[in-house]
Amino acid sequence: EIVLTQSPGTLSLSPGERATLSCRASQSVSSSYLAWYQQKPGQAPRLLIYGASSRATGIPDRFRGSGSGTDFTLTISRLDPEDFAVYYCQQYGGSPPFTFGPGTKVDIK
Amino acid sequence: LQLQESGSGLVKPSQTLSLTCAVSGGSISSGGYSWSWIRQPPGKGLEWIGYIYHSGNTYYNPSLKSRVTISVDRSKNQFSLNLSSVTAADTAVYYCARGHEYYDFWTAWGKGTTVTVSS
Repeated sequence: EIVLTQSPGTLSLSPGERATLSCRASQSVSSSYLAWYQQKPGQAPRLLIYGASSRATGIPDRFRGSGSGTDFTLTISRLDPEDFAVYYCQQYGGSPPFTFGPGTKVDIK
Repeated sequence: LQLQESGSGLVKPSQTLSLTCAVSGGSISSGGYSWSWIRQPPGKGLEWIGYIYHSGNTYYNPSLKSRVTISVDRSKNQFSLNLSSVTAADTAVYYCARGHEYYDFWTAWGKGTTVTVSS
């Protein structure tokens, strides 16, 4: 099973600032099968990024995913007030189980 | 596409948790989609429980495999989760979700339903 760790646990920033979130895997994620989700309180997760760097339908271009192997990054170029939420990475390379990272909370400074 | 979870919100320890996910706006039998259950304990992260295809093929998370059954009812366009021998650790929000047609990430989610295990 691939274990994902995310850092930092919490990121305190102001609207308009740049957010950089990290996701590290315990072993290489094949074919960069890494996704990112956004979750707001009381809501289901929403897919942002798949294949490490492809934006899902309707996701603004201020969200950018990058990385390969064991190190992946989600960058939000300029935080909009609606972007304050928890972000999870998820790997889907190889056989199940599919696993999530513990999440990074982006909150307002 | 819309997914809606329903089922028992309160389950006693050692009993079986049963949930159903009704799918609307699309057929559960079309395409190569997987249909998953994912849960989230209060204040914690996400855990994939397992999935089923419309053919009936399933795969379960090894950590829960001995207690999980996922089934599909194509006539009702829904799929279900049974989790046996529950404990307080199974208290969570349970989501149903549809996978991408070719890859195992989730593009459509239900709103989630809270299940509490308590006597």
